Amino acid sequence: KAGVTQTPRYLIKTRGQQVTLSCSPISGHRSVSWYQQTPGQGLQFLFEYFSETQRNKGNFPGRFSGRQFSNSRSEMNVSTLELGDSALYLCASSSPGTANTEAFFGQGTRLTVV
Amino acid sequence: LAKTTQPISMDSYEGQEVNITCSHNNIATNDYITWYQQFPSQGPRFIIQGYKTKVTNEVASLFIPADRKSSTLSLPRVSLSDTAVYYCLVGADYGGATNKLIFGTGTLLAVQP
Repeated sequence: KAGVTQTPRYLIKTRGQQVTLSCSPISGHRSVSWYQQTPGQGLQFLFEYFSETQRNKGNFPGRFSGRQFSNSRSEMNVSTLELGDSALYLCASSSPGTANTEAFFGQGTRLTVV
Repeated sequence: LAKTTQPISMDSYEGQEVNITCSHNNIATNDYITWYQQFPSQGPRFIIQGYKTKVTNEVASLFIPADRKSSTLSLPRVSLSDTAVYYCLVGADYGGATNKLIFGTGTLLAVQP
């Protein structure tokens, strides 16, 4: 069974640009969440999608958005990039009915804003 | 989600048993306790989960006392490859979408040869 796939693995962008990251969950998983990891703030929850609807949202500005498609694949978008957006962005998928809080993470996308 | 407190770092040697304790004084009745492991530049990996007493799998054991206000992750006979950050989380199922995880600072375990 394939794991969670995130693309691209690495990305370099310039301040002011926008970026789109992609996440393909494990087959059959309908919940996809996104996290930002930085040395200063640690692992922080961005948002969660379930059956194409955003169910939960973390405390991030509106520049961070996401969506989920009918096949459960998800994308997150960051507009007007700032230097502080440099981070490892992680996606996790889970299946309803599995044990609580068991999520499967991808390898992440390392975003560098210059 | 209940706030968790765990040591920032721990040191050990290969072959030793390592116990990492996590405090979660405000755990709710329907909260489970879950531990994740993370290597640098990789996503966290689920290790073990429990509700009460003791849970064991091929990787670790999880000890939860009766009051559930703390839990201990036990790693038997660690090796250098167990050097990682270990996160303790508590939370419940949000109506089937169990995917909002609130991570604390984690414990950096450094295993020496």
